[in-house]
Amino acid sequence: AQSVSQHNHHVILSEAASLELGCNYSYGGTVNLFWYVQYPGQHLQLLLKYFSGDPLVKGIKGFEAEFIKSKFSFNLRKPSVQWSDTAEYFCAVTPPFGGYNKLIFGAGTRLAVHP
Amino acid sequence: ETGVTQTPRHLVMGMTNKKSLKCEQHLGHNAMYWYKQSAKKPLELMFVYSLEERVENNSVPSRFSPECPNSSHLFLHLHTLQPEDSALYLCASSQNGSPNEKLFFGSGTQLSVL
Repeated sequence: AQSVSQHNHHVILSEAASLELGCNYSYGGTVNLFWYVQYPGQHLQLLLKYFSGDPLVKGIKGFEAEFIKSKFSFNLRKPSVQWSDTAEYFCAVTPPFGGYNKLIFGAGTRLAVHP
Repeated sequence: ETGVTQTPRHLVMGMTNKKSLKCEQHLGHNAMYWYKQSAKKPLELMFVYSLEERVENNSVPSRFSPECPNSSHLFLHLHTLQPEDSALYLCASSQNGSPNEKLFFGSGTQLSVL
């Protein structure tokens, strides 16, 4: 079945460590790609998105993601994490069929950053 | 504060009850969505409304009945639910429903079906 896969369900890091969260999707054709974040006790919010242009996308709070079409991947990165980055991170894709926003989410990755 | 408000925050209901979830957005958006977030499963798209017209029903059972009386309000009417319907129900909105738009999410209604 066509889907969005996030490789790690739980990641634990120390502050200042580098972060890379994997995301792969299985849709062919042109897709729109997103990373959403949910901080503890807060609502889901957009971190960054890609739909065309430079495949290296910069988002809020020092996050970036790289779209690699040949690998069907959109991995999220941050060179140096902070305790405040503790949250759950969701990769999402709008497939190339249909005219409306049908955002398909991955299962999420829980990141815990220790001081 | 995202501009998308959901009520109630928590709801407990029996399988024979009828209840409704409410979502209101103050962003002037034209598209609204219902998502279901179950434990250990990805968020699942349920319904999409654009300009008060339902444009997507993602094979949702008829015991879930959405209603969009205007572009600012979205309801999810619930009846004869099953325990497996217990989940967090999230409402979202976006400008026009285009595939590359950012979604603004509410905080959700945590539903427990006994």
